[in-house]
Amino acid sequence: QVQLQESGPGLVKPSQTLSLTCSVSGGSISSGGNYWTWIRQQPGKGLEWIGYIDYSGSTYSHPSLRSRVFISVDTSKNQFSLTLTSVTAADTAVYYCAREGDTWYFDYWGQGALVTVSS
Amino acid sequence: SSELTQDPAVSVALGQTVWITCQGDTLNNYYASWYQQKPGQAPMLIFHDKNSRPSGIPDRFTGSSSGDTASLTITGAQAEDEADYYCQSRDNLGHRVFGGGTKLTVL
Repeated sequence: QVQLQESGPGLVKPSQTLSLTCSVSGGSISSGGNYWTWIRQQPGKGLEWIGYIDYSGSTYSHPSLRSRVFISVDTSKNQFSLTLTSVTAADTAVYYCAREGDTWYFDYWGQGALVTVSS
Repeated sequence: SSELTQDPAVSVALGQTVWITCQGDTLNNYYASWYQQKPGQAPMLIFHDKNSRPSGIPDRFTGSSSGDTASLTITGAQAEDEADYYCQSRDNLGHRVFGGGTKLTVL
């Protein structure tokens, strides 16, 4: 059973950088065949796809966030990470990491990490 | 990127059948997936592709699709089915997209 767990600071100041890491257990990122994804949910709002990375480091992200998003992978630690620069209050959200299955569905999710942007 | 449109709220009497719909041009080309989210919890995949239900998901949840509309049918809704439901798919550029979500109330 694949399990994912987000970790990182819960509070980030405006204009600074948000960094989160997703630790994967029960499955190996380097085995290939999946995309490893970040999704967020602003308070009281719906789900927003941020982007994904594969085992080789190939990434793809939402066009509205692309200039601020960097997603990386560390296969030796079986982790992948999200960096979001120049954050504002609008980036306050629960951030989920997830595994994408064969056809663009998300079959395993982390429990979510609330990140608040505030001074 | 493409949009997926869902009704914000739907209600159903206990034990009855309810349809939750998702509309978007991209659904003419790509299947929708469906997620259930209860308060304070991560979303959970409940249906995907043409006819796939993850292990452990009750068979009262069924997905279907016709043209630009995908539907999630809950046959014999239970009290524990009260939750937010999201559809999700992809567009021609490879972006993954979510619907705005439907809040289901079981009366």
